[in-house]
Amino acid sequence: SAVISQKPSRDICQRGTSLTIQCQVDSQVTMMFWYRQQPGQSLTLIATANQGSEATYESGFVIDKFPISRPNLTFSTLTVSNMSPEDSSIYLCSVEDRAGGYLNTGELFFGEGSRLTVL
Amino acid sequence: GESVGLHLPTLSVQEGDNSIINCAYSNSASDYFIWYKQESGKGPQFIIDIRSNMDKRQGQRVTVLLNKTVKHLSLQIAATQPGDSAVYFCAEMPTSGTYKYIFGTGTRLKVLA
Repeated sequence: SAVISQKPSRDICQRGTSLTIQCQVDSQVTMMFWYRQQPGQSLTLIATANQGSEATYESGFVIDKFPISRPNLTFSTLTVSNMSPEDSSIYLCSVEDRAGGYLNTGELFFGEGSRLTVL
Repeated sequence: GESVGLHLPTLSVQEGDNSIINCAYSNSASDYFIWYKQESGKGPQFIIDIRSNMDKRQGQRVTVLLNKTVKHLSLQIAATQPGDSAVYFCAEMPTSGTYKYIFGTGTRLKVLA
């Protein structure tokens, strides 16, 4: 199974600033995703990080606010721009593993998350 | 819109008893479901999965049941242990192969000593 490392694990940020979260995978993966988990809530998909092209954003998320890079098959970054307290969340990187799982369908592996607090 | 919901936000279970966590999903076309466990300060971890052409699947101490008629999913944990304390999410894949999972709201399982 894929091992995912995220940095930073947590940070406290000032309103109006931007922060970039890094996601490193120990093997090449086709699909990488970024999720947001607001306090006490479930996971919401922000975007699919596409290698060599622009990310695909879900409804309610835009590139200007959450620019994403995916320079290769093992690395991606998510930037949270012009932060406000409403952006305080855990941001999770995940990858699919088509070879994993009994059903070989597509288990998602998650990083430990980056917990951002915006003051 | 599409949604995956859970019946109980918090479930308290005596150590050694069996736990049942329920989930309702709304998209009848979903063909793949996963249960995840999230411990405090960690990312979600895969527990067990099931495809829509199955009714039941068993793992080690866990069983997932799928009732497509009423669009209901459940996770059963046998002989619940303190290490099972966590938040449990069900997730559905509405469109096969897209990996765009919809996650439920989560149930917090508390194991009482």
